[in-house]
Amino acid sequence: SYELTQPPALSVSPGQTARITCSGDALPKKYTYWYQQKSGQAPVLVIYKDTNRPSGIPERFSGSSSGTTATLSISGAQVDDEADYYCFSTDSSGHQRVFGGGTKLTVL
Amino acid sequence: EVKLVESGGGLVQPGGSLRLSCTGTGFKFEDYAIHWIRQSPRKGLEWVSGINANGDYTRYADSVKGRFTVSRENAKNSLYLEMSDLSVEDMALYYCAKDGGEFSRGEYSFDSWGQGTLVTVSS
Repeated sequence: SYELTQPPALSVSPGQTARITCSGDALPKKYTYWYQQKSGQAPVLVIYKDTNRPSGIPERFSGSSSGTTATLSISGAQVDDEADYYCFSTDSSGHQRVFGGGTKLTVL
Repeated sequence: EVKLVESGGGLVQPGGSLRLSCTGTGFKFEDYAIHWIRQSPRKGLEWVSGINANGDYTRYADSVKGRFTVSRENAKNSLYLEMSDLSVEDMALYYCAKDGGEFSRGEYSFDSWGQGTLVTVSS
């Protein structure tokens, strides 16, 4: 079955740039979506189609994709950005829709 | 404000059935595809099913195909998930989520989520 691989955890200091990666064999041809989930809350879409930011999402959130790796960047990370972040995409056939295992971001 | 509210979760025995509901407000419900997504500590986030705006196109994850049925009733702004032959593997918090607008083109995005309803499978 298709898998998206994320680092389990990442820690940065306030004001630094956090870069969360997501690796998958089909990413050169398939879009990646990113979701933020704060403790006890439902996920929130923060990046769609690799690089696009929904309205209401701060400009410090950005996305990129190169080869088999997609990256969510949070520039000038804030304590309020502490959350689990999940990537989502599909396999090359478009049949399997999967989330990555999630990355727990700590900002302190 | 877009709001999605799930209901119908609860305790069910292995092999049993359950029907989840989701009501959407704050947007034109009949114009959007809606998805079911579940989350458990063991399996993380898992996309379960999606249904297009008028209900004539549905998709399922392989793990639930043949056991789960998604449907909707646009006149009531409601989405349903009929679940049967449940196992411990199905135990999770079930979310409904509004699609970002390209479900029929094969792009699944979830731009608004409910708070979830918990399904527990145990004897």
